[in-house]
Amino acid sequence: DAKTTQPNSMESNEEEPVHLPCNHSTISGTDYIHWYRQLPSQGPEYVIHGLTSNVNNRMASLAIAEDRKSSTLILHRATLRDAAVYYCILRNPGTASKLTFGTGTRLQVTL
Amino acid sequence: DVKVTQSSRYLVKRTGEKVFLECVQDMDHENMFWYRQDPGLGLRLIYFSYDVKMKEKGDIPEGYSVSREKKERFSLILESASTNQTSMYLCASSSPADQTFSYNSPLHFGNGTRLTVT
Repeated sequence: DAKTTQPNSMESNEEEPVHLPCNHSTISGTDYIHWYRQLPSQGPEYVIHGLTSNVNNRMASLAIAEDRKSSTLILHRATLRDAAVYYCILRNPGTASKLTFGTGTRLQVTL
Repeated sequence: DVKVTQSSRYLVKRTGEKVFLECVQDMDHENMFWYRQDPGLGLRLIYFSYDVKMKEKGDIPEGYSVSREKKERFSLILESASTNQTSMYLCASSSPADQTFSYNSPLHFGNGTRLTVT
């Protein structure tokens, strides 16, 4: 299975943009890139997903490199409530039901 | 909003006890999952179910079993609890939705059960 690599931790100031990177150099053509986040004392929640094109929703934007070997989750204006662990995950039809969560990136947001 | 409810937030059991962790979802989802989360190891899939009475092993099924008698309920069973099963247990559900893109349906997680086995 294709794996993802993320930094262990990142810091950001409140109200500034945050770019969370993810490397997936062995991604296959059918892998979708998904992002989840886990707030303290809660289960993970879905953030966004994409295949090739950049994607936007109310929570975040996803920028996917042209060769698809990396992607970046963008929080346009970080708030204290965005402090969480962010997971980058690959999904494809063959392993559709088996999400593999790594250890993610712990984002700290400070005033 | 989808709600996934895990019956206990905290649970303390003794070694050798049989332990039941219950999970209920209210959105008529076909797929349900059990994960455990440990520091430094991320989330690991124990079992999942894509229909009533159907189950599939995840990555770490040893020492666990599951039961899905009704669509909304998915139970994780520790037949004989051991200290290495002390962990945070997370239940999730998802809908196949459009069959072509079902693998992109988001998972909806409960808030977890922190199990301590002493």
